[in-house]
Amino acid sequence: DAGITQSPRHKVTETGTPVTLRCHQTENHRYMYWYRQDPGHGLRLIHYSYGVKDTDKGEVSDGYSVSRSKTEDFLLTLESATSSQTSVYFCAISPGGRGEKLFFGSGTQLSVL
Amino acid sequence: AQSVTQPDIHITVSEGASLELRCNYSYGATPYLFWYVQSPGQGLQLLLKYFSGDTLVQGIKGFEAEFKRSQSSFNLRKPSVHWSDAAEYFCASRRGSAQGGSEKLVFGKGTKLTVNP
Repeated sequence: DAGITQSPRHKVTETGTPVTLRCHQTENHRYMYWYRQDPGHGLRLIHYSYGVKDTDKGEVSDGYSVSRSKTEDFLLTLESATSSQTSVYFCAISPGGRGEKLFFGSGTQLSVL
Repeated sequence: AQSVTQPDIHITVSEGASLELRCNYSYGATPYLFWYVQSPGQGLQLLLKYFSGDTLVQGIKGFEAEFKRSQSSFNLRKPSVHWSDAAEYFCASRRGSAQGGSEKLVFGKGTKLTVNP
């Protein structure tokens, strides 16, 4: 299995508080992604990164920011969490290039009360 | 905008029966196409992918998928389903190199498969 670690695995927080989720990889892959998964919506891309300090928005980026200061770490921040951000968050990595696949982490269950 | 449609939210089949899960993509040209499977409480695992060449691709666990440009489809099939195939299946696409390429992978909403004994 690809070396991807998401932390924390579970988090409960209150509306209005900041939350940071961490994705750490040991594969030295160029591309990293944050998805959220919600029933009836499948996986939706929040942000992705194509290199250190290089990021781009996905389909549902409002309310989220990301940072990548090192190849191995990709952080997702909810500046002021809302109940609509209760979801399962998946990090994925890819070496990139033609047709390369994504490797997924185990997910973070976030509940915003 | 790039999109992937999986028309069936939930499918139930009997063990040993054949299976076909439908997927349609929005691009007119040839995107890169993928099928992923997710077991309960797990991340996603790649079943197979298509980016060029033979339109019938083989994947893991006995799955195959056929790319049909005329129908903008990439349906997943298995001739005989096993109880362990019960899971949620996601079709995904990204722009191919002929369209400028993209590393953004867009997923369909998923099809949940139930297998009856």
